[in-house]
Amino acid sequence: NAGVTQTPKFRVLKTGQSMTLLCAQDMNHEYMYWYRQDPGMGLRLIHYSVGEGTTAKGEVPDGYNVSRLKKQNFLLGLESAAPSQTSVYFCASSKVGQGKRAKNIQYFGAGTRLSVL
Amino acid sequence: GQNIDQPTEMTATEGAIVQINCTYQTSGFNGLFWYQQHAGEAPTFLSYNVLDGLEEKGRFSSFLSRSKGYSYLLLKELQMKDSASYLCAVKGRVDYKLSFGAGTTVTVRA
Repeated sequence: NAGVTQTPKFRVLKTGQSMTLLCAQDMNHEYMYWYRQDPGMGLRLIHYSVGEGTTAKGEVPDGYNVSRLKKQNFLLGLESAAPSQTSVYFCASSKVGQGKRAKNIQYFGAGTRLSVL
Repeated sequence: GQNIDQPTEMTATEGAIVQINCTYQTSGFNGLFWYQQHAGEAPTFLSYNVLDGLEEKGRFSSFLSRSKGYSYLLLKELQMKDSASYLCAVKGRVDYKLSFGAGTTVTVRA
């Protein structure tokens, strides 16, 4: 059981280049999330999805796009990378809890370390 | 939105106890998580509180007071492997989104 898998693990881009970060989960979770983590700022939500074919903006969505064509996959795209997008990106997934006290624990991938020069 | 505060760093001795505080101001509260994150690794789930009181799980305990907007994570019998960052996260009422604090880096010394 792999859980949440992110590819690639490391990437270096030049300003203006584009790339797609891939996230795959094998837990049949409905919800998926993309975060970025920067020193001193904690995890910030970029975009998320509550189900196949749906996406929504998080706290810091500018400069990113996402797609959820299949339930198990959530893609994060950078159309024109900027140095400010240098960060560690984490994908997470959770199931829809049953009941008011449901935990909805988010399970995280190992992260993608991106540098934009 | 959410405003979540926790100390930046804490240092403790192996075998000791450390308490990490987290205060939050929220527009909607639906539970509070603690995650552990070792350097260069993914955050992993430690504990969850939705009702007031103490939740105990082995050497780790977490407390919540909703009226005070306050939680703490208690780490007992510290081991070197407990050196990590501990993240406090509040779950909102919309789409189970989490808002994270900046994390507390705990260093355990021999």
